[in-house]
Amino acid sequence: DAKTTQPPSMDCAEGRAANLPCNHSTISGNEYVYWYRQIHSQGPQYIIHGLKNNETNEMASLIITEDRKSSTLILPHATLRDTAVYYCIVRGHGSSNTGKLIFGQGTTLQVKP
Amino acid sequence: EAQVTQNPRYLITVTGKKLTVTCSQNMNHEYMSWYRQDPGLGLRQIYYSMNVEVTDKGDVPEGYKVSRKEKRNFPLILESPSPNQTSLYFCASSLYPGIAYNEQFFGPGTRLTVL
Repeated sequence: DAKTTQPPSMDCAEGRAANLPCNHSTISGNEYVYWYRQIHSQGPQYIIHGLKNNETNEMASLIITEDRKSSTLILPHATLRDTAVYYCIVRGHGSSNTGKLIFGQGTTLQVKP
Repeated sequence: EAQVTQNPRYLITVTGKKLTVTCSQNMNHEYMSWYRQDPGLGLRQIYYSMNVEVTDKGDVPEGYKVSRKEKRNFPLILESPSPNQTSLYFCASSLYPGIAYNEQFFGPGTRLTVL
């Protein structure tokens, strides 16, 4: 699975959009980009995933560049409850996949009032 | 409600006293996994299971055992706990990871302290 690079921390004002970047320059064609978050020692929580098209769900939007070497997770109206560590994970699929998620250090997002 | 449950949530024990952390999921998932989380080291996979009676080592299996006798349960066993196993443990489950799109569901965590 490709390696990802994220900034260690970011701040965001409550009610504003939070844009969290991720670089995955070695991503291969069949690898998906997943985002999870972990709120203060709770279990990680799935947010969204994508392959090459932009995706949106009730939690967030995911923008993947055309060359797929980077992506941005967007929380459109951040709240204090969105304060968490956000992990960008790249994973392939197939019969050899062990299911392991490689979390890395993630980005600590601090939403401020 | 779809969920992964772990018990106990908190445990303080002493070196060498065998313990089991239970994990159960109600989503009929084939895949289950255990991670430990330590400051500065992130989450590391201990063991995983692709289905009933199929288990395999992750990155840090030493000192741990698992079993998968039923689809819904995946207990983590520490036969002789040591202080370096003091950690935050998470169980996770998902559909078979070989298929496309695979969200993993995580339990609430078990904080273990070994004195």
